[in-house]
Amino acid sequence: GAGVSQSPSNKVTEKGKDVELRCDPISGHTALYWYRQSLGQGLEFLIYFQGNSAPDKSGLPSDRFSAERTGGSVSTLTIQRTQQEDSAVYLCASSLWGGDEGTDTQYFGPGTRLTVL
Amino acid sequence: GEDVEQSLFLSVREGDSSVINCTYTDSSSTYLYWYKQEPGAGLQLLTYIFSNMDMKQDQRLTVLLNKKDKHLSLRIADTQTGDSAIYFCAETNQAGTALIFGKGTTLSVSS
Repeated sequence: GAGVSQSPSNKVTEKGKDVELRCDPISGHTALYWYRQSLGQGLEFLIYFQGNSAPDKSGLPSDRFSAERTGGSVSTLTIQRTQQEDSAVYLCASSLWGGDEGTDTQYFGPGTRLTVL
Repeated sequence: GEDVEQSLFLSVREGDSSVINCTYTDSSSTYLYWYKQEPGAGLQLLTYIFSNMDMKQDQRLTVLLNKKDKHLSLRIADTQTGDSAIYFCAETNQAGTALIFGKGTTLSVSS
């Protein structure tokens, strides 16, 4: 079946502009996660959505970052007033909770490579 | 806090076994994971192990877990050039809402 998809695959923007990154999770997965992968920091957790519960935003690095998940499916990560240090690969993952062994296993999309000039 | 440590590089010859090691801090993780990342690609789940298991074997992959020492290893038998990639060890954070990743081990396989 279809995996996690993300768009765009690459995004180049100028410093100070806003960007939106999109994630389509695996159909039926109730949990959705955003991570950031950069050379200096490795893989960092950003935000987590689970069903209708309040999201865990503890990983967002600043108030310029926000995310929403509409209808329990598609998610958008928004970065306002982008800075050069925001350049990274943004990865989305989804998982199915409440089932058998390993069903909180996270499956990742291919990522969006963001370059801020 | 939660932390996962891995060695950064491993170089092996084709046909040899590779062993990638990882240590973690959070003993409450229910599962521990190994992911593979090939150049320019996302993360591919390789395998996972339940925390009450000592070993899990899946074709060429063997995962060993020493819960007392909080040590996890991934053994790849008969390593092939296609196994060249970055391998990430991960545990679940205490809240169960995210994965904590190591920095990744770059495996280089020479023919």
